[in-house]
Amino acid sequence: NAGVTQTPKFQVLKTGQSMTLQCAQDMNHEYMSWYRQDPGMGLRLIHYSVGAGITDQGEVPNGYNVSRSTTEDFPLRLLSAAPSQTSVYFCASRGLAPYNEQFFGPGTRLTVL
Amino acid sequence: AQSVTQLDSQVPVFEEAPVELRCNYSSSVSVYLFWYVQYPNQGLQLLLKYLSGSTLVESINGFEAEFNKSQTSFHLRKPSVHISDTAEYFCAVSASTASGGSYIPTFGRGTSLIVHP
Repeated sequence: NAGVTQTPKFQVLKTGQSMTLQCAQDMNHEYMSWYRQDPGMGLRLIHYSVGAGITDQGEVPNGYNVSRSTTEDFPLRLLSAAPSQTSVYFCASRGLAPYNEQFFGPGTRLTVL
Repeated sequence: AQSVTQLDSQVPVFEEAPVELRCNYSSSVSVYLFWYVQYPNQGLQLLLKYLSGSTLVESINGFEAEFNKSQTSFHLRKPSVHISDTAEYFCAVSASTASGGSYIPTFGRGTSLIVHP
């Protein structure tokens, strides 16, 4: 199993550009989520999904969109990038029950100029 | 809403010394507790977890954590650290609320463990 994969690993954008961060998992997990990690702020939840066709907002959803058309994929879209979105982004998945551990991808380091 | 507090943002320690990383959470009906470790330039990975039963849980690399319900704490300890333990450590809680809230996990802000030779 590949686990949770994320692409790209690094990305530089200019303010106002759009892009999609890709996330895929091959463990048939229902629950998937996106976090951003900033120094001193820990992990902050952006959006999450409990199954195909079901998404919801987390702590910091503004400026981001998600969709979940399949169990495997959970892309994160930045519609108009801003410097405040410079961060490291992690995708995670787990079985639906809350006692399951989360499996994290390797992260995408995004810089918005 | 559930909250998780990691009391130390950074813990410097010498190799072979003991260490404790502290974690407190807000009370809830039932909780599942996790410690994750993040090595430099990597994603997070599970270190250990408490689901039920014995309040002391151990990892394969010598860390242990004790669930203390009365103190609402889940501190992480290791009796003798190694240079390779240098990493960021995150405490996380999945909990239900009295009103039947969801099990979205909440993470602490992380503790950077720095092991000096």
